[in-house]
Amino acid sequence: GAVVSQHPSRVICKSGTSVKIECRSLDFQATTMFWYRQFPKQSLMLMATSNEGSKATYEQGVEKDKFLINHASLTLSTLTVTSAHPEDSSFYICSARGGQGANEKLFFGSGTQLSVL
Amino acid sequence: AQSVAQPEDQVNVAEGNPLTVKCTYSVSGNPYLFWYVQYPNRGLQFLLKYITGDNLVKGSYGFEAEFNKSQTSFHLKKPSALVSDSALYFCAVRPNTGGFKTIFGAGTRLFVKA
Repeated sequence: GAVVSQHPSRVICKSGTSVKIECRSLDFQATTMFWYRQFPKQSLMLMATSNEGSKATYEQGVEKDKFLINHASLTLSTLTVTSAHPEDSSFYICSARGGQGANEKLFFGSGTQLSVL
Repeated sequence: AQSVAQPEDQVNVAEGNPLTVKCTYSVSGNPYLFWYVQYPNRGLQFLLKYITGDNLVKGSYGFEAEFNKSQTSFHLKKPSALVSDSALYFCAVRPNTGGFKTIFGAGTRLFVKA
């Protein structure tokens, strides 16, 4: 089945540094990928929709300049948390839209736990 | 506002007993409905979906879900729980407005005791 690889699985960084998270569709092409943020015991919050070859669409309240999204190819989207602060610590999950017709669904990466000290 | 509610933070059930994980939604129109499961340190895995047709949908690992339009509910069920079913379950809804944006519930942790 379709596989989405997300890397790294865990990252610890100092406040003020930038962190890049990669999301790859391994065996299918994904024109659309999504980035979510998940707080403990809370639901996934959609941050942005990443479209290959065009600018990402951000949800209301998500800072575009802080969470940079690049979808340069049909198999790779990256999320860069710029000038990270402790409040950015969270679990980030990507998903990719894959399949055809009735079988079209979201395939999820395994998530990245970001801890900002 | 569009929302998905999973009223139980945790569901406890003995192995071999039937289980139900509840989900209700507030989304206009005829949305697509989904259940996903998340194991520790893993991404979400698709279990089943309802688009149209029979109100009882069968999915992976013996799970099924019942759609009730009048109650706007989509409860997840399994006739006989396994210890390996212990995980975090998310109900999700995609408004049928042409996009692929999905709204997730807060999740329900299922604990199956041997």
